[in-house]
Amino acid sequence: SQQGEEDPQALSIQEGENATMNCSYKTSINNLQWYRQNSGRGLVHLILIRSNEREKHSGRLRVTLDTSKKSSSLLITASRAADTASYFCATDGGGAQKLVFGQGTRLTINP
Amino acid sequence: SQTIHQWPATLVQPVGSPLSLECTVEGTSNPNLYWYRQAAGRGLQLLFYSVGIGQISSEVPQNLSASRPQDRQFILSSKKLLLSDSGFYLCAWSTGLAENIQYFGAGTRLSVL
Repeated sequence: SQQGEEDPQALSIQEGENATMNCSYKTSINNLQWYRQNSGRGLVHLILIRSNEREKHSGRLRVTLDTSKKSSSLLITASRAADTASYFCATDGGGAQKLVFGQGTRLTINP
Repeated sequence: SQTIHQWPATLVQPVGSPLSLECTVEGTSNPNLYWYRQAAGRGLQLLFYSVGIGQISSEVPQNLSASRPQDRQFILSSKKLLLSDSGFYLCAWSTGLAENIQYFGAGTRLSVL
């Protein structure tokens, strides 16, 4: 079953603006990951945040995790047209060797 | 460096025909291997995963099967395809470490007609 649920399902913004995507999950986790998927391609790992971390940065990406609310957010700052893609959160709540992916947020950056 | 190869990129098959999708990983040993299916505009559904040769875990009862004949080879098969088997199939690998960061192939677009 899909544990992660992203919000919104689709987001369209202007280049240069910030994009925020949210993810909620249901069970306890050890870590939460975010992946990116360009249309018709495989997923690419972006960032991992552990359950004992509250915030993590990587370049223009900022991830937060609130384990009390079972939610995470991904912020992309100063968006570029090349950021257009689908973004998925994934949790390890399904077992140590498995990830459970959400339904994704389709992000469109308009030039 | 590690690479993952998945082929073919696109496949059109008639209903009732067999299927074999292959995935190979280079540059690592004893990886965990995964097969996912993705419906259009949707998330990933885990179909099978393997933590070693001959060890296959099935997540969803279905018309598909998986095999791992070699350490870095993972095959997805069907004896008779159904219309509902259409979708985007993704292979992935991970090191088996606790973080379980997964690395994906380019995917196979399967259309069953």
